Amino acid sequence: GAVVSQHPSWVICKSGTSVKIECRSLDFQATTMFWYRQFPKQSLMLMATSNEGSKATYEQGVEKDKFLINHASLTLSTLTVTSAHPEDSSFYICSARVRTGPPYEQYFGPGTRLTVT
Amino acid sequence: AQKITQTQPGMFVQEKEAVTLDCTYDTSDQSYGLFWYKQPSSGEMIFLIYQGSYDEQNATEGRYSLNFQKARKSANLVISASQLGDSAMYFCAMREANTGNQFYFGTGTSLTVIP
Repeated sequence: GAVVSQHPSWVICKSGTSVKIECRSLDFQATTMFWYRQFPKQSLMLMATSNEGSKATYEQGVEKDKFLINHASLTLSTLTVTSAHPEDSSFYICSARVRTGPPYEQYFGPGTRLTVT
Repeated sequence: AQKITQTQPGMFVQEKEAVTLDCTYDTSDQSYGLFWYKQPSSGEMIFLIYQGSYDEQNATEGRYSLNFQKARKSANLVISASQLGDSAMYFCAMREANTGNQFYFGTGTSLTVIP
């Protein structure tokens, strides 16, 4: 099956600093990548959708200036949490859509646990 | 309205028994896909099974089968011969053809397999 990696798997940072999370599709090309946020014991909430070479589309309520998304290639998307605050502590999961053919499966990365102190 | 509803926050099943996890969905699209994912405590989302709205037969993948009842808009996951490693959160999800990118997740069901 398709493999999606995320780096780092966990990160602790101080309030006010920025953190970058990488999402890579290892063995396939992903035209579209998705970023989700998951609070403990809750479901995944879509934050934004990014297509290679174009600006990300953010869901309502997600601050685009705070959560910067770059999708520079068909295998790499990054999420930068700028000026992080404790309320940004969460589990961030990326997902990549397989490029060709229906049902356009989405494969998920292992997630990144961010803790802001 | 919720696109995906999972009414069972927690379920218990005896090892080697079968268990059904409920999922109902809401859509006016004719073309859509239904997915089940498993999320163990490590956090990784593991794809289990897919059912397309036009598929006439219920999807099966090993010990997983999807009981698709289109008229009732339900897509229950059946796990046969439960194993201790099946203990995890299970999420039902839907993607509609019209909305393309949007992947709607349910609130999840926590399954615990008892030895």
